[in-house]
Amino acid sequence: EVQLVESGGGSVQPGGSLRLSCAASGFTFYNYWMTWVRQAPGKGLEWVANINQDESEKYYVDSVKGRFTISRDNAKNSLYLTMNNLRVEDTAVYYCVTFRGSNWFDPWGQGTLVTVSS
Amino acid sequence: QTVVTQEPSFSVSPGGTVTLTCGLTSGSVSTAYYPSWYQQTPGQAPRALIYNTNTRSSGVPDRFSGSILGNKAALTITGAQADDESHYYCVLYIDSGIWVFGGGTKLTVL
Repeated sequence: EVQLVESGGGSVQPGGSLRLSCAASGFTFYNYWMTWVRQAPGKGLEWVANINQDESEKYYVDSVKGRFTISRDNAKNSLYLTMNNLRVEDTAVYYCVTFRGSNWFDPWGQGTLVTVSS
Repeated sequence: QTVVTQEPSFSVSPGGTVTLTCGLTSGSVSTAYYPSWYQQTPGQAPRALIYNTNTRSSGVPDRFSGSILGNKAALTITGAQADDESHYYCVLYIDSGIWVFGGGTKLTVL
């Protein structure tokens, strides 16, 4: 069974940092692009970042460029999102998602909540 | 800035047919935007319904179908059921590795 389990969320003050992790199992992780998608409370989905299999390609939504870094460790079947200089508007549930066929998102983890507040 | 548009809300009667759309504030949606659709019920993670415009994800009932209608991507639910009451999101490939989700449509079945 394919599983994606996020961790690392929590509460942080504006300007702070967090590192999210996603543990993947049930599929050959190193064969797939991976994605982070977020959802602010009561709002819609927002694509955040993609990474390819060997980390040679990374793409970000404009609002996080220069602050967030997506990375992976294929030996550990893990995906990461390092978030620096966090803002109140970064408050959201962050989902780890497999990016399949280079054009769709499936499956999704259950998400981890990041709250940025003073 | 590219904005992907969806109807904020829609209502359908049980057994009825509804078409949700996914457009662009400027330009037309084509298959080159690789439209895909996702269903999300409250408190749950999204799940994929349709990808590559019109391919159903594994396990998705055939009452869900995708297409291009005019200048928009479309998700049609034929024979709506009570448990189809959800939020539905589309996402489009814009350019240079960037993807943009629509704002989502809240579908009510009543």
